[in-house]
Amino acid sequence: DAGITQSPRYKITETGRQVTLMCHQTWSHSYMFWYRQDLGHGLRLIYYSAAADITDKGEVPDGYVVSRSKTENFPLTLESATRSQTSVYFCASRTTGGSYNEQFFGPGTRLTVL
Amino acid sequence: QQQVKQSPQSLIVQKGGISIINCAYENTAFDYFPWYQQFPGKGPALLIAIRPDVSEKKEGRFTISFNKSAKQFSLHIMDSQPGDSATYFCAASIGGATNKLIFGTGTLLAVQP
Repeated sequence: DAGITQSPRYKITETGRQVTLMCHQTWSHSYMFWYRQDLGHGLRLIYYSAAADITDKGEVPDGYVVSRSKTENFPLTLESATRSQTSVYFCASRTTGGSYNEQFFGPGTRLTVL
Repeated sequence: QQQVKQSPQSLIVQKGGISIINCAYENTAFDYFPWYQQFPGKGPALLIAIRPDVSEKKEGRFTISFNKSAKQFSLHIMDSQPGDSATYFCAASIGGATNKLIFGTGTLLAVQP
C-alpha cells in the first residue's frame, strides 16, 4: 500500500509488558515522527528521526525507545508499558525541502494498557 | 514558551455559519503555522498553512488570519457544512531542517444541519 501505514491498529496489553508499534512509509521521506494523542493535550511529539540511524527525543520520550535501521520503517517500543501510556499513537513522515514541510500522518494505533 | 494555546475546546455551528478557532503562541521564533483536520478514526491531515510574512491566506472556504503583533492566528471556516465536522489542530514550528511541530490541544467542531 502506498503512503504511511501503522500496525497494529488496536492493541491491548498489560502493565509491564513490552509492546512495539510499527510504522512504514513508501515515500522514502527522510523525516519520521511519533506522536501520542490524548484528550486535552493534543498531539505531543515522542521521538523523531531525520534519517536512518539518526533519532532524537521529542517532548515526551520517557518510557519509549525507537530505532530506524531502514528509511521506510520507524518502530516505537514501550519497554515496560504503564497505564499512563494508554493513548492513540500516530506516526508521521515528511520530506525535506519544499516551502511548507507538510507532515503526513498514518491512521494511528489505539493502545490500551490494563 | 513552546506552547500553542487553542480555543475553544469545542464548537457547535449551524450549517452555513462561520466557524472560528483561535490560537495563540509566545515564541516569536515560530515561522510556520499549519492547521490540521482530523476525522474520527483517522490521522490528522494538513488543511492550510501560513507563514508570518502574510496576514491572511485563503483556500476555498478556509481562511487563516494571522496577527504577528498579537502573536495570534485563527482559522475561519465560511459556509460551514456538516462534512466539516472534525477536530481541528493548530500548530507552530521553527524553520530549519527538523521543523518539529508544536500542536494546540484541538477543537472539536460539530456543524449541525
